[in-house]
Amino acid sequence: KAGVTQTPRYLIKTRGQQVTLSCSPISGHRSVSWYQQTPGQGLQFLFEYFSETQRNKGNFPGRFSGRQFSNSRSEMNVSTLELGDSALYLCASSLVRGRADTQYFGPGTRLTVL
Amino acid sequence: AQKITQTQPGMFVQEKEAVTLDCTYDTSDPSYGLFWYKQPSSGEMIFLIYQGSYDQQNATEGRYSLNFQKARKSANLVISASQLGDSAMYFCAMREETGNQFYFGTGTSLTVIP
Repeated sequence: KAGVTQTPRYLIKTRGQQVTLSCSPISGHRSVSWYQQTPGQGLQFLFEYFSETQRNKGNFPGRFSGRQFSNSRSEMNVSTLELGDSALYLCASSLVRGRADTQYFGPGTRLTVL
Repeated sequence: AQKITQTQPGMFVQEKEAVTLDCTYDTSDPSYGLFWYKQPSSGEMIFLIYQGSYDQQNATEGRYSLNFQKARKSANLVISASQLGDSAMYFCAMREETGNQFYFGTGTSLTVIP
């Protein structure tokens, strides 16, 4: 079974631009979560989608948004990029949303904002 | 209060020795799951082991075992017979039955010395 895939793997943007990152979960997985990881802040939760609905949201400004499609694939969008948005963005999927459901991570998208 | 606390920013262990990585958690939910992930320098988060709050026995997966002490709210990861490839960041995480969000600790950087 294929793992979680994320595209693109690397991205370079300039301040003020917007970016869209894509995540394809493991086949059959319905929950997709997004995380931002930086050396200074560690791993921070962005949001979680399940059955095309946002179920949880972290403490990020409205410039960060996401969506999930009927096939469980998810995208996250960051508008008006800032230098501080440079980070590794990780996507994780799980079968459903129970306490025992392991999240499996993709390889991440490394975003650099110049 | 922090949901997950990892107090060891960095650890060193001799090859072939065992090492314990500490994790304490905070929750009032009686139903929860505890997870450990490994993140090598490549960036991908790799699932290692899971422990449910109702599990009577400590979880084991090959060289990984979880020392679960429910009353103390601790879930330490024990790696036996360390290998050079074990050098990585290790993250402890928790998922509560209510809310369903994953909470991650700040991680412990493990270096295995030949």
